[in-house]
Amino acid sequence: EAQVTQNPRYLITVTGKKLTVTCSQNMNHEYMSWYRQDPGLGLRQIYYSMNVEVTDKGDVPEGYKVSRKEKRNFPLILESPSPNQTSLYFCASSLRSTGLRYTFGSGTRLTVV
Amino acid sequence: QQPVQSPQAVILREGEDAVINCSSSKALYSVHWYRQKHGEAPVFLMILLKGGEQKGHEKISASFNEKKQQSSLYLTASQLSYSGTYFCGTEFITDSWGKLQFGAGTQVVVTP
Repeated sequence: EAQVTQNPRYLITVTGKKLTVTCSQNMNHEYMSWYRQDPGLGLRQIYYSMNVEVTDKGDVPEGYKVSRKEKRNFPLILESPSPNQTSLYFCASSLRSTGLRYTFGSGTRLTVV
Repeated sequence: QQPVQSPQAVILREGEDAVINCSSSKALYSVHWYRQKHGEAPVFLMILLKGGEQKGHEKISASFNEKKQQSSLYLTASQLSYSGTYFCGTEFITDSWGKLQFGAGTQVVVTP
């Protein structure tokens, strides 16, 4: 089944403890992206990647890191999480040839205490 | 730079119509529409490209006015399944491929 898989689905962590949210897609998509969703603010793009080793900042990249070493994987790294990073995170991927038609993962609900 | 959506929320009875608007202050390359049901991930509905025609998905259609940097989503003869939050996403002409900014969303509730 074609899908975008995020792990974990839920995560509670403490301030300052490094964490990684994984994202993997099995559709051979070139584009991958991370969004965070907060009430009243919609979906805000954190980082996106056009292909392996090519990434760029979205609108809210502060406090996050990404890497794209393989086409299928696009992990989101929080080196030192803070409570304001408590949010619902979505990973998404898309083919280039169709234009951006993002398929979203199921989401990761992160709570930083 | 986020696109601005209006209204924030709309309540409809089954069979009624509604329009959701999305506007941008920057020149647009494309407008995208997604729907998110409660507790689920957003799902792609349609994309409208600069110079492209009006698109449709079920009885949901959309238009793109390039001169006004605006798009409208039309929910026609609404069904219960149309309930959810609708997001418009915009790609700007000046941005690189892959950057897609979303509005704050419009919550749609369709009642029997």
